[in-house]
Amino acid sequence: AQTVTQSQPEMSVQEAETVTLSCTYDTSESDYYLFWYKQPPSRQMILVIRQEAYKQQNATENRFSVNFQKAAKSFSLKISDSQLGDAAMYFCAYRSFTGTASKLTFGTGTRLQVTL
Amino acid sequence: KAGVTQTPRYLIKTRGQQVTLSCSPISGHRSVSWYQQTPGQGLQFLFEYFSETQRNKGNFPGRFSGRQFSNSRSEMNVSTLELGDSALYLCASSFGQAPDTQYFGPGTRLTVL
Repeated sequence: AQTVTQSQPEMSVQEAETVTLSCTYDTSESDYYLFWYKQPPSRQMILVIRQEAYKQQNATENRFSVNFQKAAKSFSLKISDSQLGDAAMYFCAYRSFTGTASKLTFGTGTRLQVTL
Repeated sequence: KAGVTQTPRYLIKTRGQQVTLSCSPISGHRSVSWYQQTPGQGLQFLFEYFSETQRNKGNFPGRFSGRQFSNSRSEMNVSTLELGDSALYLCASSFGQAPDTQYFGPGTRLTVL
């Protein structure tokens, strides 16, 4: 079974600075997808970024980028120019490529605080 | 496009009762998954439906059940509620099955007294 580990329960960053959230995972599969979801106080789970394991290029979405290291099974999220609205819980998630095991497996989350 | 909607948003029930939660996926999406979120257990997968068929099931007791209708709307039912069922129940939809991205609704907050 796949597992996802987020070892940083809480992180803090100053506005306009850069922060990196860590995620490692364990799988025996070669094809899969990785995601970062953001859950603000409203509890709505919002997709931040997605990475296909077969792609060597790291995904980027505006101020959000990932560092995907397939061999090390590491998938960190970098937030540049942090904004107050980035304060939220961030969940790393794994999804198998095959339909029979297509659930999302989540990490325990990292609470990001953004300070002035 | 409208996002995933869930009703009701908040629900208070007592032990032993049953509850039905509803989820309407994004238009055109055929897959609906349900997750339970609690402070102690985190986010756990309940089940996934695609084209009215349950395709995947998590490790939950039989008191938790679901179904999907021909318009892709889904319901989940919890019978004989226990205090431990208090949680945020999240529904997510995707166009197809894996590896399509899942988009989440706002959740239903269930409190069991």
